[in-house]
Amino acid sequence: DAEITQSPRHKITETGRQVTLACHQTWNHNNMFWYRQDLGHGLRLIHYSYGVQDTNKGEVSDGYSVSRSNTEDLPLTLESAASSQTSVYFCASSDQTGWASPLHFGNGTRLTVT
Amino acid sequence: QKEVEQNSGPLSVPEGAIASLNCTYSDRGSQSFFWYRQYSGKSPELIMSIYSNGDKEDGRFTSQLNKASQYVSLLIRDSQPSDSATYLCAVNAPNSGAGSYQLTFGKGTKLSVIP
Repeated sequence: DAEITQSPRHKITETGRQVTLACHQTWNHNNMFWYRQDLGHGLRLIHYSYGVQDTNKGEVSDGYSVSRSNTEDLPLTLESAASSQTSVYFCASSDQTGWASPLHFGNGTRLTVT
Repeated sequence: QKEVEQNSGPLSVPEGAIASLNCTYSDRGSQSFFWYRQYSGKSPELIMSIYSNGDKEDGRFTSQLNKASQYVSLLIRDSQPSDSATYLCAVNAPNSGAGSYQLTFGKGTKLSVIP
């Protein structure tokens, strides 16, 4: 069965370190997204991609970057981790750019920045 | 700024009752609407999508959409303890001039079904 796999599931890092969260999907979807979820804020879009070599900023992109070198993977990099980036991160994908596209989510990565 | 509003709850209903979850949205150009269920510590799971005014039924779930009132709801009939979760409303609207769409999530309503 097709799926989205995120790794690691849990990560503890120190302030100032660079961290990369992996996202791999076997749906063969063109569209991939990164969200963070925090209590009181819900799901907020960090970055998204509509295809290979395409990346776009979401509403909370500061301090994060992504790259899309193939269809399957969209890694999320925290350039210099900050305590404010402690959160649960979800990767998602969809198969169309149109209005009817629901998202399929990965299992999430819980990141703690100390 | 596209906004999606939900009552945060918690909404408590007895087992077997109907749970009613509501969502309002700000962008009149919104075209598609989704309900996700999220169990504690898990990822959101799509349970319903609706695209046109009226009702859509899927098993024990019914979604109602009223675009004129900018309102979408989810009814869960014969609620079960296993329905206890947070329900997220998500609304898809076009980005101005970009030819793409933006999916905006509400903060979710926490539902507790009491045995």
